[in-house]
Amino acid sequence: ELKVEQNPLFLSMQEGKNYTIYCNYSTTSDRLYWYRQDPGKSLESLFVLLSNGAVKQEGRLMASLDTKARLSTLHITAAVHDLSATYFCAVDRGTYKYIFGTGTRLKVLA
Amino acid sequence: EAGVVQSPRYKIIEKKQPVAFWCNPISGHNTLYWYLQNLGQGPELLIRYENEEAVDDSQLPKDRFSAERLKGVDSTLKIQPAELGDSAVYLCASSSRIHNEQFFGPGTRLTVL
Repeated sequence: ELKVEQNPLFLSMQEGKNYTIYCNYSTTSDRLYWYRQDPGKSLESLFVLLSNGAVKQEGRLMASLDTKARLSTLHITAAVHDLSATYFCAVDRGTYKYIFGTGTRLKVLA
Repeated sequence: EAGVVQSPRYKIIEKKQPVAFWCNPISGHNTLYWYLQNLGQGPELLIRYENEEAVDDSQLPKDRFSAERLKGVDSTLKIQPAELGDSAVYLCASSSRIHNEQFFGPGTRLTVL
């Protein structure tokens, strides 16, 4: 059974600081997705990672995938308040079934 | 391009009552998903449709939950009767054949009293 774990679960950081969210998964997969969810809202797609070594960047966020280590990271550079949200990774087993991580609730303090 | 549409956005019912949620996927997306999201957790798949066929309903509690996707476009998820533990957000998502990426609707927040 595929398990997806994120850490940390909660992250409180100062504006301007850097930090990394980790997503570990238990079985082989080469497709991983990152989503953002604001309180009371739906999931917004951030990154689609489809191969080992894939790296995508958008603004202050950068995501990478290491399929051999079964690890994806979401790196935040110089955080701003607008990045406060919950971030989910989702692993696709190749059968169009996403298994979501537990989520990381990020709060950026001014 | 319009996104995934869901209604209602909020629903409050008493336990043992029936409830139904509606989803209209992105035009051209043949795959439709219903997810359950409990507070503070990630979404969990309930059922996946390829066109009008339910190809994965292993996580759907069939004693009280049912779903349909007539004509392979809109979909309805029903709960009858609702229980207190069904209080959650029900998300609909869709994807195309070409890309696996799933696009989510705004969700329906269900409260069972």
